[in-house]
Amino acid sequence: KNEVEQSPQNLTAQEGEFITINCSYSVGISALHWLQQHPGGGIVSLFMLSSGKKKHGRLIATINIQEKHSSLHITASHPRDSAVYICAVLGEGGSEKLVFGKGTKLTVNP
Amino acid sequence: GAVVSQHPSWVICKSGTSVKIECRSLDFQATTMFWYRQFPKQSLMLMATSNEGSKATYEQGVEKDKFLINHASLTLSTLTVTSAHPEDSSFYICSAQRGVIEQYFGPGTRLTVT
Repeated sequence: KNEVEQSPQNLTAQEGEFITINCSYSVGISALHWLQQHPGGGIVSLFMLSSGKKKHGRLIATINIQEKHSSLHITASHPRDSAVYICAVLGEGGSEKLVFGKGTKLTVNP
Repeated sequence: GAVVSQHPSWVICKSGTSVKIECRSLDFQATTMFWYRQFPKQSLMLMATSNEGSKATYEQGVEKDKFLINHASLTLSTLTVTSAHPEDSSFYICSAQRGVIEQYFGPGTRLTVT
């Protein structure tokens, strides 16, 4: 059974700080997703990774397949980045079901 | 990037009525769509997997007669909550799969049953 662990569970930062959220999983995967969920509930797909690194604006996502670990970085954080960030992985072997982490609640104070 | 929409974004209905939620992939064809449910402060829970032109596959514990799923075309799946009860109040989220591993999420629909 694939388990997804995120850390930290909660994170408070000052505006401008560099943020890192971690995600570890236990079995081989075909893809890893980073999602953002704002207080109103809406979900935004940030990244889908199967290897390497992706960058979009101030967001960077990396994945290390050998170590079964991914990180989401936010540079120059801003209060509007406050949200829950969710890591989800898609298993190998034709499984179509995503396994979700419990999320990391980020609060960025001005 | 790929866009998935949901309609409505929120709905309030009376107990005993039925509510239909639509999920559309706007710029790609999705052979598979997924429906999730999320209770406050909890993670997303997969309810069912919907394949175009065939019956949905429901997860254990999800009542298929209560949560009717129709995947009528490659860009549209609907979830109908029948005879809604207050305990059905939740946040319902769909996602659409493009290719083998790409999955894109809709913004969600908040259902409140009074």
